[in-house]
Amino acid sequence: GEDVEQSLFLSVREGDSSVINCTYTDSSSTYLYWYKQEPGAGLQLLTYIFSNMDMKQDQRLTVLLNKKDKHLSLRIADTQTGDSAIYFCAAPADGGATNKLIFGTGTLLAVQP
Amino acid sequence: KAGVTQTPRYLIKTRGQQVTLSCSPISGHRSVSWYQQTPGQGLQFLFEYFSETQRNKGNFPGRFSGRQFSNSRSEMNVSTLELGDSALYLCASSFELAGGPHNEQFFGPGTRLTVL
Repeated sequence: GEDVEQSLFLSVREGDSSVINCTYTDSSSTYLYWYKQEPGAGLQLLTYIFSNMDMKQDQRLTVLLNKKDKHLSLRIADTQTGDSAIYFCAAPADGGATNKLIFGTGTLLAVQP
Repeated sequence: KAGVTQTPRYLIKTRGQQVTLSCSPISGHRSVSWYQQTPGQGLQFLFEYFSETQRNKGNFPGRFSGRQFSNSRSEMNVSTLELGDSALYLCASSFELAGGPHNEQFFGPGTRLTVL
């Protein structure tokens, strides 16, 4: 089945760019997600990318997908203190037949003022 | 439109007890999924209900069960609680069963369960 891995921690200074990385195992994943979790809150969908795309840009967010290496990254431009949170990448567990998602371990992003 | 609500937000139980958690999805959503979040295991899928039927189940013991009512509200139950059941339990609702970006899942704030 699908397995998703992420680095655990990233620290950046306010105004810098942040890059959060993720690897997955199931090459048949049709789309991949990035979620954000703030303290005491549930998960919020940030963005997603279809597997037939290499890149997707959405305001300050850029998602890069390398299908050959099964590597996904999320770049946050001009990182703000409000971006401090845990970021999860996720992939559908069964090709999207249901809503079941496999989540990575999460990357804690700490933004220093 | 109100978001996904979960009750209670916090719960403290002792080993051996049982607990019921509730999730009210966004109005019109028919799919409800449950996840367990712990520091050690991360986010793990428990089960998904669609139109009152369990459509998918994760790899959890039979002590974990759930159901969905005709109004799409869902409950999950954990019997004979163990210390390891301490976790944040999240539910997510969506309109359709099939996954995909067009069918965004909206997560509730979770119920923090502590087992002593």
